[in-house]
Amino acid sequence: AQSVTQLGSHVSVSEGALVLLRCNYSSSVPPYLFWYVQYPNQGLQLLLKYTSAATLVKGINGFEAEFKKSETSFHLTKPSAHMSDAAEYFCAVSDRPGTYKYIFGTGTRLKVLA
Amino acid sequence: GAGVSQSPSNKVTEKGKDVELRCDPISGHTALYWYRQSLGQGLEFLIYFQGNSAPDKSGLPSDRFSAERTGGSVSTLTIQRTQQEDSAVYLCASSFGGQGAIGSGELFFGEGSRLTVL
Repeated sequence: AQSVTQLGSHVSVSEGALVLLRCNYSSSVPPYLFWYVQYPNQGLQLLLKYTSAATLVKGINGFEAEFKKSETSFHLTKPSAHMSDAAEYFCAVSDRPGTYKYIFGTGTRLKVLA
Repeated sequence: GAGVSQSPSNKVTEKGKDVELRCDPISGHTALYWYRQSLGQGLEFLIYFQGNSAPDKSGLPSDRFSAERTGGSVSTLTIQRTQQEDSAVYLCASSFGGQGAIGSGELFFGEGSRLTVL
C-alpha cells in the first residue's frame, strides 16, 4: 500500500536561508510524487510533480525536489527562503499506471523568520 | 469562475443534524475527489468519482457519509446525524481523468468547506 511520511510538522527558517522539507514514500510500484502548498484559508495548489522523467524536478516559486529511489525520498528544497513561502506543504504519492488514489502526508508548516 | 467552487465555505451545525456540502468542479474535468482535512491529520481520502460513478467508497468513515455526482459535474457530500468528530475542512478536487492521466495529473482544489459540529 502507498504511504507518505513527512518528517517535521513544523519547520522554521530565517529569511534567505535554505528550505528543506522532507518526504519519504512507500509504494509497491514506481510512484508519481507531488508537492502541494496551502496558503491560509486557501485550497492546495501544485508546486511540482515527478512522473518518471528527470529525477530533479523544478517547480514554481523557486522550489525543486529530487526523487531518490534508493532512499525512497522526495525532499523539497529552496535555496533562499522568502517571507511569502510561509505556508503548509504536503507531499503526495500516487501509484502508476494511472490509479485514482492520491495519498497525502500530514503536512509541514513552514515559518519564515525575518 | 474557472476554478473548483465549494459551498458553503463555513457551516456550523448542531450535533445530530444533517449537512450537505457542494462541489462544482472545473468544466471538463471527469475526475472528482473528496478529502477531509483535520488538524494534524493531513488530507484523508474519502471518495473518488470518475464521471458519475464512484469506483471506491472505502474512504468514507461511516455509513453516515454519502456522496453523489450528477451530470458528470456537481457533487454533493452528505453527512447524516453529524457528530463532533466530523468537524473538519472538507476539500474537493478535480482533475482531467482521461485514461493514462489518472494518478499522474494535477489535482485542482477548491478552498474547502469548514464544518463545525457543536
